[in-house]
Amino acid sequence: DQQVKQNSPSLSVQEGRISILNCDYTNSMFDYFLWYKKYPAEGPTFLISISSIKDKNEDGRFTVFLNKSAKHLSLHIVPSQPGDSAVYFCAAPNAGGTSYGKLTFGQGTILTVHP
Amino acid sequence: GAGVSQSPSNKVTEKGKDVELRCDPISGHTALYWYRQSLGQGLEFLIYFQGNSAPDKSGLPSDRFSAERTGGSVSTLTIQRTQQEDSAVYLCASSLAMGGSQPQHFGDGTRLSIL
Repeated sequence: DQQVKQNSPSLSVQEGRISILNCDYTNSMFDYFLWYKKYPAEGPTFLISISSIKDKNEDGRFTVFLNKSAKHLSLHIVPSQPGDSAVYFCAAPNAGGTSYGKLTFGQGTILTVHP
Repeated sequence: GAGVSQSPSNKVTEKGKDVELRCDPISGHTALYWYRQSLGQGLEFLIYFQGNSAPDKSGLPSDRFSAERTGGSVSTLTIQRTQQEDSAVYLCASSLAMGGSQPQHFGDGTRLSIL
């Protein structure tokens, strides 16, 4: 059972435009969400997070929106830059139990920003 | 450097051999996690440590896999009698403390290839 899903394997955007990456989850116990960015041959890098008590968190060009009722979150990048081209993962940690903090990742979305 | 360090970065070995992967977490980080990413797959949780203890080993794929952590710092992941399906990138992450709101910081991984 895929508890965190990224249904778009890839996204192509023109430089300067907005990139919107989507993520859905099924586990209503998740109360925190993170986005990671991954370049080839490197480990994932933490980008931005959001707590379930909020519906929006912004950090520079990156904004994450959370819709709890729809169990959906999205990452907006504006304006997009060629250096943003990477694989983006959304992830949710276990909220408790013996695997407290264990991250469940989506499958990732490959973002390509064209100059 | 100040990040999570993993060694070796690449490992090629013959089926049936044992391998040992090493992770040096960020200094002061009490929580340490192992994940792996197989070709075309998302990141899969293996095991985590809080200090030197591993409360949840359920993510380890088989009893050929084991991990330990000493001194609350360095961790090693050992795979005995390697099989071709063990080929993957093995990623280590650390965080300041347990808990979902503590972002996990990843190393660049060990790319393991079993011939």
